[in-house]
Amino acid sequence: QVQLQESGPGLAKPSETLSLTCTVSGGSVSSGSYYWSWIRQPPGKGLEWIGYIYYSGRINYNPSLKSRLTMSLDTSKNQFSLKLRSVTAADTAVYYCARSASSSSYRPLDAWGQGTLVTVSS
Amino acid sequence: DIVMTQSPDSLAVSLGERATINCKSSQSVLYSSNNKNYLAWYQQKPGQPPTLLIYWASTRESGVPDRFSGSGSGTDFTLIISSLQAEDVAVYYCQQYYSTPLTFGGGTKVEIK
Repeated sequence: QVQLQESGPGLAKPSETLSLTCTVSGGSVSSGSYYWSWIRQPPGKGLEWIGYIYYSGRINYNPSLKSRLTMSLDTSKNQFSLKLRSVTAADTAVYYCARSASSSSYRPLDAWGQGTLVTVSS
Repeated sequence: DIVMTQSPDSLAVSLGERATINCKSSQSVLYSSNNKNYLAWYQQKPGQPPTLLIYWASTRESGVPDRFSGSGSGTDFTLIISSLQAEDVAVYYCQQYYSTPLTFGGGTKVEIK
């Protein structure tokens, strides 16, 4: 059974870059069978999809964040990563990584990490 | 973007009673080529990540109790918990996966009356 685990600093300063990594076990990020997504949830609020990356390097970002985002894959470590630049307090959230099956059309998010809280504060 | 609107924001239901949650999308999420609704429901318990409950609007994920059911098509969808149990206390989200950006409803908090 696949497991996903987010890691990274729990604190980021305003205007700096937030960097997170998701480590996948029980599955392979290079299998081609899944999209690998990031989703965030501000404290006490709802869910926002950030974007996904595919093993081929294909990426789909939420346009609301696209100008500040970089996602990447490290197949040697079975990980995928997120970088969000120029953060503000509005980027404070629990960040989740998740997967969905790849197909000719989209699929639901069927496995999630436990999430990691990132606070943006000086 | 497809906007997902849930109602109510919260509801309190007695144990063993029915809970009904509604979700409306700003445009149809029914894919005409395969007649499937690209709509999922998730359950999020306090301090935990969301878990997939239902997909294709009405198909239960493996291991989900049959007291959970989903219905609807096009733009209007419903999640029903037929007999509320204590372990069902959670926030429930609908989500469309018809197009990107993937979008979620605002959530419905279900509590015990």
